[in-house]
Amino acid sequence: DSGVTQTPKHLITATGQRVTLRCSPRSGDLSVYWYQQSLDQGLQFLIQYYNGEERAKGNILERFSAQQFPDLHSELNLSSLELGDSALYFCASSPGGAGGMVYEQYFGPGTRLTVT
Amino acid sequence: ELKVEQNPLFLSMQEGKNYTIYCNYSTTSDRLYWYRQDPGKSLESLFVLLSNGAVKQEGRLMASLDTKARLSTLHITAAVHDLSATYFCAVDILPPSGTYKYIFGTGTRLKVLA
Repeated sequence: DSGVTQTPKHLITATGQRVTLRCSPRSGDLSVYWYQQSLDQGLQFLIQYYNGEERAKGNILERFSAQQFPDLHSELNLSSLELGDSALYFCASSPGGAGGMVYEQYFGPGTRLTVT
Repeated sequence: ELKVEQNPLFLSMQEGKNYTIYCNYSTTSDRLYWYRQDPGKSLESLFVLLSNGAVKQEGRLMASLDTKARLSTLHITAAVHDLSATYFCAVDILPPSGTYKYIFGTGTRLKVLA
């Protein structure tokens, strides 16, 4: 158990809908990272937050947004969902976050999103 | 454009044997990361390599980085069944006037046979 929690575990929704994925980092970790894993696109880094501020941005679509709250949990919002958004979404946390992946990260179990 | 290639994509090996997974990347970077993913599971961070010549070892796995050759290797010594997993490398760059990039390789699926 990495200490990182994600909810929900599974999510099934229809095209055009909006969903929110939640991530709670390990106690004391200030950074949260979001990743997408699909058969078509492989593993992709989406975005990183450090202590409430965006620090690094990857291949995150404009339809997607994220934030990190004062209690350090993070939410990834996916809107106007398309079939191609079906994927596993992982979050990870680390103690620091200098805007790059220089820290060992601890991954959550993931949220499997299915868009029908 | 930053591209990261791993080979082989699939590797089936006997227990007790040694083998190496290669990770090549296309743009100058001093930072490379290795991850492990068990089937149906999440990712686990294995190694963070931050400079040319960096070498890190954990158990039967050893990773190294040659930034001049833009190559990292993950060497497996005396493989055991528990090492069966998919291994990913990843590279990140922050160009002086560009967008941050963090790109994963396609992964190497390793199967260790008893």
